[in-house]
Amino acid sequence: GAVVSQHPSWVICKSGTSVKIECRSLDFQATTMFWYRQFPKQSLMLMATSNEGSKATYEQGVEKDKFLINHASLTLSTLTVTSAHPEDSSFYICSHQQGKNGYTFGSGTRLTVV
Amino acid sequence: SQQGEEDPQALSIQEGENATMNCSYKTSINNLQWYRQNSGRGLVHLILIRSNEREKHSGRLRVTLDTSKKSSSLLITASRAADTASYFCATDAGNQFYFGTGTSLTVIP
Repeated sequence: GAVVSQHPSWVICKSGTSVKIECRSLDFQATTMFWYRQFPKQSLMLMATSNEGSKATYEQGVEKDKFLINHASLTLSTLTVTSAHPEDSSFYICSHQQGKNGYTFGSGTRLTVV
Repeated sequence: SQQGEEDPQALSIQEGENATMNCSYKTSINNLQWYRQNSGRGLVHLILIRSNEREKHSGRLRVTLDTSKKSSSLLITASRAADTASYFCATDAGNQFYFGTGTSLTVIP
């Protein structure tokens, strides 16, 4: 079946540094890519949606200059958390859509900012 | 690989009928969540059931959890055309969060 490889699975970084998270479709091309985050004891929250070749659409309250999303190709999307702060510590997960209804999720990245 | 497996992969019913989707998983979990996703849109959280709960209701949704069988079911009663979407279960195992492959539900008006 379709697989999305997300890495790193966990990362600890110092406050003020930037962290890049990658999601790669291993055996299919993704028409649309989604990025989510989940704070402890809460459900997933959509951060942004991106289509290849166009800028990402950010959800209300998500800072586009802080969370840089690059839809580099039909198989690769990246999320860069710039100048990370402890409040950015969260679980980040991507989803790649193939065709009309096929969604495949990465396994997530747990970010801890110290 | 993803932990959750869902069946059926696709389900087509008439408006007003009930829809049942099942999810199985492999390891111990803290909780299990169900999400809906309309085509081209982001996930919408539907309901969360904790590992020590057996059944939970929310409106027309009924979720059961059987930790001994490592399975969960989502029942949508009195379905509507607007319920047409993909439905995913997701298991929170503490360090990892796994989604199932999803059930594509079509409700025919």
